[in-house]
Amino acid sequence: EIVLTQSPATLSVSPGETATLSCRASQSVGSHLAWYQQRVGQAPKVLIYSATTKATGTPDRFSGSWSGTEFTLTISSLQSEDSAVYYCQQYRNWPPWTFGQGTKVEIK
Amino acid sequence: QVQLVQSGAEVRKPGASVKVSCQTSGYTFNDYYVHWVRQAPGQGLEWMGLINPDGGIPSYAQKFQGTVTMTRDTSTRTVYMDLSGLRSEDTAIYYCARSATYGYVHFDYWGQGTLVTVSS
Repeated sequence: EIVLTQSPATLSVSPGETATLSCRASQSVGSHLAWYQQRVGQAPKVLIYSATTKATGTPDRFSGSWSGTEFTLTISSLQSEDSAVYYCQQYRNWPPWTFGQGTKVEIK
Repeated sequence: QVQLVQSGAEVRKPGASVKVSCQTSGYTFNDYYVHWVRQAPGQGLEWMGLINPDGGIPSYAQKFQGTVTMTRDTSTRTVYMDLSGLRSEDTAIYYCARSATYGYVHFDYWGQGTLVTVSS
């Protein structure tokens, strides 16, 4: 089973600044990684898939990158509506599909 | 438009069973797996298993083997998740989500979630 480790657990960022979230895979998943946003009381929603491709409706301030087994979600010009928990998910080796433990982004 | 609509909240006593439904619409039913993912209070996302609507073949996470049963009704495009032998640790929000049945694909649409509370 592939383990995904996200860091940091919590990120506190001021509006307009940039948030950088990390996800490390225990073994290669290629580019088969997605990022989901989960606001309080809502279901998760896909933001990025194939490590770098924005899902329909994802604002341009969200971007994904990767190198080897390290994946990054960058949120530029942070807005209040970006307050949420962000999860990474690998879909290279399944079952099981696995998720990271999440990074909570707080707006200062 | 694509929709996955789940049944309402449930309360069960320890040892009981619960059956949660996920009614789908807006796409070709047989072209997408339906997965079940649960989220305990304040915790992360945990994949439980999936069902392939084309043939009704399920695949369960090892942790849930023997306690979960996933079925589908093609006439109503509805998928069901039955969890038996409930314990307090099964208190969670249960989500259905879909992914294409070909290639390496993420979960592109999710249901709204169903809260299952296990309490004596």
